[in-house]
Parts: sequence; C-alpha cells; structure tokens
Amino acid sequence: DAKTTQPNSMESNEEEPVHLPCNHSTISGTDYIHWYRQLPSQGPEYVIHGLTSNVNNRMASLAIAEDRKSSTLILHRATLRDAAVYYCILSYTGSSNTGKLIFGQGTTLQVKP
Amino acid sequence: KAGVTQTPRYLIKTRGQQVTLSCSPISGHRSVSWYQQTPGQGLQFLFEYFSETQRNKGNFPGRFSGRQFSNSRSEMNVSTLELGDSALYLCASSLDGTPVETQYFGPGTRLLVL
Repeated sequence: DAKTTQPNSMESNEEEPVHLPCNHSTISGTDYIHWYRQLPSQGPEYVIHGLTSNVNNRMASLAIAEDRKSSTLILHRATLRDAAVYYCILSYTGSSNTGKLIFGQGTTLQVKP
Repeated sequence: KAGVTQTPRYLIKTRGQQVTLSCSPISGHRSVSWYQQTPGQGLQFLFEYFSETQRNKGNFPGRFSGRQFSNSRSEMNVSTLELGDSALYLCASSLDGTPVETQYFGPGTRLLVL
C-alpha cells in the first residue's frame, strides 16, 4: 500500500486559511487521495477526495500536484471547530481493498482564537 | 438519514472475558468496516463485511471476529480479552465498500480491559 507523510502538528489562527500538506511519492495511477478528520471524542469524518484534478466542496479544497506526488488540503477560514486530527489516505481500486482505509498518524491542527 | 450508531458507547471488562460490540450502518449501506484505535498504533483496520460475508481482513489475531446480519447490522466479538485490547472500536459504513466511496463512521465504543 502506498504511504503518506504528513507533519505531526500545525497551528493556525481563527478565520485564517490553513494549508495542510501531504506527501505521497509512491502513489500509483489508480490511487485516490482522501482526507478525513477526527474531532476530539468523535469518529473520523470525511472531508474531501480526488484523483487528479483539484476539488472543492463546502468544507474544503483539495489541491493535487501535477505529478500527484503531493496534495494540500485547504481550509479557507479556520474556525475553532476545525481543530482536529487530519488524515491523508490513499486508496487503490483493487478488489482486495474493499472497505479498508489505511490511516497514518495524521496532522493535529490547533486553531487559536 | 440517521448516522452510524454503535452500542454500547463504553464498556469495562476484565482480562479473559469476551465482549460483543454492535454497529448499525446508515440505511441502505451494505458494507460495514471495523477499526481499532489506540494511542500507540493509531487507527487500524480490523475487517469488512458485505452481504453477511467477511470480504476483507486486517492483521489481527483470531480472537477478533465479526459477523453481519441480513439487515446489514454488524457485530464484532473479542474473546479472551487482553489488557492491550483496551481501545476505541469504530465501525464505518458505506454503500458497497469500494475504495472510492466515502466511509461514514460511528462515535465508537470505548473498551477498557482491567
């Protein structure tokens, strides 16, 4: 399984943009890039995913490098509620990979008021 | 739609006992995955069930087992509990379990083994 590398922790000020990086240099052509986050005392929740093109949704944007070896999750205006552990996950579309997400250590995001 | 629910939310057991945890997926979801979360190992995949069959399995001993019912509800069982089994057990559901699909997680069951 392809591996992702994320910084252990990051800090942000409330209402400022946050860019969370993820390196995945061994990504293959069929790997999707997913981001989940886990708020304190909750299960993980989906944030966004993409394959090659940049993606936007109501929660965040995902910027994918042209060579796909890295990606960045962008929170446009951080709020205190965005303080969480953010996981960057690759999933390949092989049949042996059903229902399985491989979580790394993630990035703990602190948001300061 | 109601989210993924897990029962019980908290559980205390002693070494050697067994435990059964329950997960009700989102209505219409047929795939249920189970994960163990510990401070040392992080979130680790246990297994996935689809149409009452275990379709994928992580690297855990045979003491960890599960099953899925015809209504897609799932249970996981841990026999002969060890101290190291203390963890947050999370289940997640998705429509068909394909790797591209979003998984929706429940709040977890926190198990403490004494």
